[in-house]
Amino acid sequence: AQKVTQAQTEISVVEKEDVTLDCVYETRDTTYYLFWYKQPPSGELVFLIRRNSFDEQNEISGRYSWNFQKSTSSFNFTITASQVVDSAVYFCALKGTYKYIFGTGTRLKVLA
Amino acid sequence: GAVVSQHPSRVICKSGTSVKIECRSLDFQATTMFWYRQFPKQSLMLMATSNEGSKATYEQGVEKDKFLINHASLTLSTLTVTSAHPEDSSFYICSAKGNLYTEAFFGQGTRLTVV
Repeated sequence: AQKVTQAQTEISVVEKEDVTLDCVYETRDTTYYLFWYKQPPSGELVFLIRRNSFDEQNEISGRYSWNFQKSTSSFNFTITASQVVDSAVYFCALKGTYKYIFGTGTRLKVLA
Repeated sequence: GAVVSQHPSRVICKSGTSVKIECRSLDFQATTMFWYRQFPKQSLMLMATSNEGSKATYEQGVEKDKFLINHASLTLSTLTVTSAHPEDSSFYICSAKGNLYTEAFFGQGTRLTVV
């Protein structure tokens, strides 16, 4: 069975703090993709990153960075120097051969 | 990335009426479209998957006759909520995937309120 767990329901940080959102997944597929999406209050889902199961290289994009560790089945997302505009719900998702499985999301509140 | 447009963004309808939601891929051909439902402060639940020209595949527990999905062309899929009731009020999101992309792209979502 496939499963994505985001244990952190809600996180509050003060602006400029770093914050890490955790994502742990389960799958029996040998080839799969992992994603992070941002859902601001307006509701649309914004694609942030995709990682395939063969690429464990960490990635940095501006203030965002992602740490993929196959050994622990984790795909964590760090925001450096958080800003109020980062406030949103963040979803981790897994795609195997067929469909996307989403985690329950982490609501991030960045306080000014 | 590719653009997926979902319309309407908000709709209020009376109980017993039907509502149609459109999902369009604007700059790519969407071979597969997905429809999700999201309850307040919860995750996205996949309702059904549709491939162009064929019948949608519904997830367990989703009523086919209640949520009619049509994927008649490579750029358009529609979800019709038939005989809507207040419990159908929710946020519905579509996503579309083309052969050129690994990821699916999401529409803006439709907030349906049935009164």
